[in-house]
Formats: sequence, structure tokens, C-alpha cells
Amino acid sequence: GENVGLHLPTLSVQEGDNSIINCAYSNSASDYFIWYKQESGKGPQFIIDIRSNMDKRQGQRVTVLLNKTVKHLSLQIAATQPGDSAVYFCAENPGGGSNYKLTFGKGTLLTVNP
Amino acid sequence: KAGVTQTPRYLIKTRGQQVTLSCSPISGHRSVSWYQQTPGQGLQFLFEYFSETQRNKGNFPGRFSGRQFSNSRSEMNVSTLELGDSALYLCASSFTGTGGEGYTFGSGTRLTVV
Repeated sequence: GENVGLHLPTLSVQEGDNSIINCAYSNSASDYFIWYKQESGKGPQFIIDIRSNMDKRQGQRVTVLLNKTVKHLSLQIAATQPGDSAVYFCAENPGGGSNYKLTFGKGTLLTVNP
Repeated sequence: KAGVTQTPRYLIKTRGQQVTLSCSPISGHRSVSWYQQTPGQGLQFLFEYFSETQRNKGNFPGRFSGRQFSNSRSEMNVSTLELGDSALYLCASSFTGTGGEGYTFGSGTRLTVV
């Protein structure tokens, strides 16, 4: 697909399993974090977000965990389905004077096997 | 409601030429952000416009420029194209420009420089 690159970490899971996708962010001053899903031929699509004053947030089948001490984010997808196959990106908003931009991680390719 | 529209969808240009890409935001959105996506570098922020003003700029050479019109539509221009400019160019529209659920990406323009 258009968004599959040579340098992407990959995760392959069986349908029905839980998936955990990890992301290390770079800026300790970042105060807002977002997970995006990108399917082939499409732009990134919002999944879930979390502010720096929280360490966990749950959505429908997804949970985001934030560990500010080690600058780490994770996205947990419960009961993974074939339709979850995509590239997943974390993004951080640096805040302050750079509030109107997002810095994206490299992405993880998730493949769900039926 | 209509999504973010990027035109053209695909483009092939020769080295040294210039190119203009267009982004029509969701109705009511005044912020338009542009990103370059390549396999090697991932998603990188180019610039963000709000009400015709550039509020943030990424780390790209001056060959990359943009503008926003009074109807919030935005264009980006790349002059003196190089092979390395081959990429998927994505725009995102939103009310605030800070990311999150209302930050909606288009499907992108695939630029190939030969």
C-alpha cells in the first residue's frame, strides 16, 4: 500500500487477540498525545487522545496509556479484528509556541490474521 | 458532511519544475495544516494556516511555501522540484489546528518527481 515503508516496525496478531502498539515520544514538554490509524490510500484517522495530566484513557475497544516518566505511549486494541489492519501512528503536540503542529512517530504496521 | 478534499490525487513532475497542490477544508474549519509523508521520514509537518495567517512552520527549505485564501482553502507550492520531494502530501483541517478528534486529514496528493 501507499503508506507501507521499509522502516516500519510490524506487529502481527491473530483475530480476537489483544494488540499493544508502543511509541516513544521525544519532547518532555508535550502536553497532548493522539493515536492515528492510516489505511492504505487514505489519510490518518483519529483513534483516541490523552492529555498529559492523565495516564490512561479508554475508548471503544481501545485504551491509551501514558508514562511521562519514560516518555512512552501505548495503544491497546481489544479483540483485534481484520479491519484493524493498518499503520498506527502516535503524535504529540509540543504545546507552547508550537501548539499548531503535530510531531508524528514512525508508525507501526499492524496485520491481523483471520 | 463532506470531508477534506485534496487535488489532484496523483501528480508526476520533472525535476526542476514547480507544483501547486490544493486542499479544501471541511466547511467551518479555519485551520489547514500540511504534512509530507515518505517511507524514510514518516509524517513531517510543513506548515499551518489559520484565517490566512501562517502560525507554524516546519523545518523545510524555502522551496516549500503555502497560502490560505479567505474561504479557508489552502494551497502549497514546491518550486525547483527534487527527486527527494516525491512523497504523499497530506493536509488536515480543523477548528483549532491543535490536533484531536476534529483534526481531519484528506487522502493526500501523491507526488512523483522524475
